Amino acid sequence: DTEVTQTPKHLVMGMTNKKSLKCEQHMGHRAMYWYKQKAKKPPELMFVYSYEKLSINESVPSRFSPECPNSSLLNLHLHALQPEDSALYLCASSQEGTGNNSPLHFGNGTRLTVT
Amino acid sequence: AQSVTQLDSHVSVSEGTPVLLRCNYSSSYSPSLFWYVQHPNKGLQLLLKYTSAATLVKGINGFEAEFKKSETSFHLTKPSAHMSDAAEYFCVVRPPGRRALTFGSGTRLQVQP
Repeated sequence: DTEVTQTPKHLVMGMTNKKSLKCEQHMGHRAMYWYKQKAKKPPELMFVYSYEKLSINESVPSRFSPECPNSSLLNLHLHALQPEDSALYLCASSQEGTGNNSPLHFGNGTRLTVT
Repeated sequence: AQSVTQLDSHVSVSEGTPVLLRCNYSSSYSPSLFWYVQHPNKGLQLLLKYTSAATLVKGINGFEAEFKKSETSFHLTKPSAHMSDAAEYFCVVRPPGRRALTFGSGTRLQVQP
């Protein structure tokens, strides 16, 4: 079992819906990440939070809105998505301040289908 | 800029035979290197990481990787493949001073009975 928990595991939504993806970790990590992964491709970075502040936004469309309510939780709010946004959305966390050797710990992802 | 190249998009081995998944990196500085595995419909699991303490790195499930600076390689090996090893494997580099990871394109390992 992974130490990063993502809910829901699967989500089907229409293009006019509003939904949220949730991620939780209790490893004391202060960096949290959202990645998007299309089929047969490596994950692509979307957002990075460090100490609950957004530090990286990889030019992600505004229909994706991240939120980090506290050091253990990370949300991704979805609104007016397109069918091409269908993908596996992965959350990850890592330690901060320990150099570049800190690996990322990934959740199992949310499989999103936009109809 | 740092990058990684996974030389094989697909590798097929027989159960019980050795596994070799190849990865080359480009870096101007000492890199941080990782191997991750992804089983179908799952997240990524860390297999091992290179910390510069030792060039031969042992990971979980019998995998290991050797860092060769002269060849800029970080190949992943396992002496004997198991059916449960069938998955996608990613070689990953973390550039100095950056939180974001740079992923290779992935190698799909198929294990034949």
